[in-house]
Amino acid sequence: RKEVEQDPGPFNVPEGATVAFNCTYSNSASQSFFWYRQDCRKEPKLLMSVYSSGNEDGRFTAQLNRASQYISLLIRDSKLSDSATYLCVVNGGDTGGFKTIFGAGTRLFVKA
Amino acid sequence: GAVVSQHPSWVICKSGTSVKIECRSLDFQATTMFWYRQFPKQSLMLMATSNEGSKATYEQGVEKDKFLINHASLTLSTLTVTSAHPEDSSFYICSARALLAFSSYNEQFFGPGTRLTVL
Repeated sequence: RKEVEQDPGPFNVPEGATVAFNCTYSNSASQSFFWYRQDCRKEPKLLMSVYSSGNEDGRFTAQLNRASQYISLLIRDSKLSDSATYLCVVNGGDTGGFKTIFGAGTRLFVKA
Repeated sequence: GAVVSQHPSWVICKSGTSVKIECRSLDFQATTMFWYRQFPKQSLMLMATSNEGSKATYEQGVEKDKFLINHASLTLSTLTVTSAHPEDSSFYICSARALLAFSSYNEQFFGPGTRLTVL
């Protein structure tokens, strides 16, 4: 089992649609969680951190369920510019060291 | 936000040569830098963690003698791919961890990546 698993995608949605990405992680000792966005042939860029209380940034909402070891990202009113690969990222572990694990990413295509 | 640069952005080399990639944090000090590799349509894979002034910690399966990492200062880390072969062709990305007022704890700032093609 992969340490961080995401929906394989790709997701093809029309403009204005709402799309949800799911992610699960295997290490219960993981400490911090993020969603990154990666455009083709570019470096990943932080989209938002994910907190247990949930957090929202404009059209983006992230949720964390530690009990289920599950992270989600909701994008409302999709724009063409949202087309990218979304990476679920999990930090930390029971070794006490800092280790970052990237999910394989879910590709999103938003079409007019 | 914090800026990380990489140089070169792309490089083409012959098999058997060595290639050095630089990673710099431009406006902050990075005690820890990370080197990743990403093959097409795959996720980023951590190669090594580099701490300033000490030896890098390599992930399982990554040859330390082939991928030489030097973290000479708080703003510079280098990755040298020695005796490169076509299978080393990949997108190499560095990142730096910063504890800054405007960043989330454990947030990493990524360089723009270096695309290496070995002929």
